[in-house]
Amino acid sequence: EPEVTQTPSHQVTQMGQEVILRCVPISNHLYFYWYRQILGQKVEFLVSFYNNEISEKSEIFDDQFSVERPDGSNFTLKIRSTKLEDSAMYFCASSDLFGRGLAGTYEQYFGPGTRLTVT
Amino acid sequence: QQQVKQSPQSLIVQKGGISIINCAYENTAFDYFPWYQQFPGKGPALLIAIRPDVSEKKEGRFTISFNKSAKQFSLHIMDSQPGDSATYFCAASGGINTGTASKLTFGTGTRLQVTL
Repeated sequence: EPEVTQTPSHQVTQMGQEVILRCVPISNHLYFYWYRQILGQKVEFLVSFYNNEISEKSEIFDDQFSVERPDGSNFTLKIRSTKLEDSAMYFCASSDLFGRGLAGTYEQYFGPGTRLTVT
Repeated sequence: QQQVKQSPQSLIVQKGGISIINCAYENTAFDYFPWYQQFPGKGPALLIAIRPDVSEKKEGRFTISFNKSAKQFSLHIMDSQPGDSATYFCAASGGINTGTASKLTFGTGTRLQVTL
């Protein structure tokens, strides 16, 4: 069964450094998302992306964050200058145009996540 | 108004018992309510979902009950098994009829432990 993949599984970086988290969404999906989960807390929406532009972003997704689809398969999240509070699990998700289950829904499928540790 | 409130925070159920997790929402624009299951170190996996035009949906041992007037929905796991031990998140989103994909707003999660 197709799945979302993410690399690396764990990234350790120093405060102030730039990091790029990579995702390969399910191949026929057209909507892409980033969420994050601080340890022990709920999953929080960061940004959604469609047709090569941001569809929606949360207040967490400030100027330090950017997303890109550099080619036909990858979807990346860049944090320009990491802070201690950016330490979290970052999940990529994708959904397709027509949905697979409930009619008209865009069921989101999540990758295994990248654990980002900022020291 | 964007919050989804989930309870309980943790739940211990004996094997074979029924696990019940509840969620409540405020935003009446929400029109899609999925449940996700998450094992330690893994991403959330879609378990079952419902739209508000039905009051119940069943898939195997998993059932969602939906009360639109109360703005509440719940997950029932029948015949709970040790392999069901995981964290369960309810979620909600809006925009089904706009033709656009919407963000998921997650509840705070319920850690379920099924004992032998």
